[in-house]
Amino acid sequence: KNEVEQSPQNLTAQEGEFITINCSYSVGISALHWLQQHPGGGIVSLFMLSSGKKKHGRLIATINIQEKHSSLHITASHPRDSAVYICAVRSGNTPLVFGKGTRLSVIA
Amino acid sequence: SAVISQKPSRDICQRGTSLTIQCQVDSQVTMMFWYRQQPGQSLTLIATANQGSEATYESGFVIDKFPISRPNLTFSTLTVSNLSPEDSSIYLCSVDRTGVTEAFFGQGTRLTVV
Repeated sequence: KNEVEQSPQNLTAQEGEFITINCSYSVGISALHWLQQHPGGGIVSLFMLSSGKKKHGRLIATINIQEKHSSLHITASHPRDSAVYICAVRSGNTPLVFGKGTRLSVIA
Repeated sequence: SAVISQKPSRDICQRGTSLTIQCQVDSQVTMMFWYRQQPGQSLTLIATANQGSEATYESGFVIDKFPISRPNLTFSTLTVSNLSPEDSSIYLCSVDRTGVTEAFFGQGTRLTVV
């Protein structure tokens, strides 16, 4: 079974800072997801990656398949970015395996 | 994409009672997944629900405690029965669509057992 590790567990940033959240996994995958969970519990899918890099607005996600590592970057962070960010991986048709999440607080 | 409506969003229940959570999807989906997220923990898969067959439960989860229904390709329910305070968690449903590997989630149900 894949082991997914995220760092840091908690992150506090000032508004405008550049933020990086890291994810590493132990077994080869077919896809990696970055998810955002708000305090109410609902989860939104931010990115799905199998290689390279994706960008959406102020969010950038990268993955290095050889190193089994992915990063989520937030540029010009804002208090509304405060949430838990979760990395999840899939191998073939198996269910997603989730990291424990990174709790981000952005202070104005 | 897929839009999932999950109800209720939260509930406070007495121990020994049961809570049924519903997920309605706006399109037909092959597989639906039910997850539990205990406080401060990551999501743990409870079971996979396929239409027309019994749900497949993960190790540590049993049908008597977490009965699941999947009457059609757009709807599923999860019941958490004989509630105890240890069942206080967020419960989420998620779907896969054939040929689409993106993950879609419901809004979550925050359950507190008193």
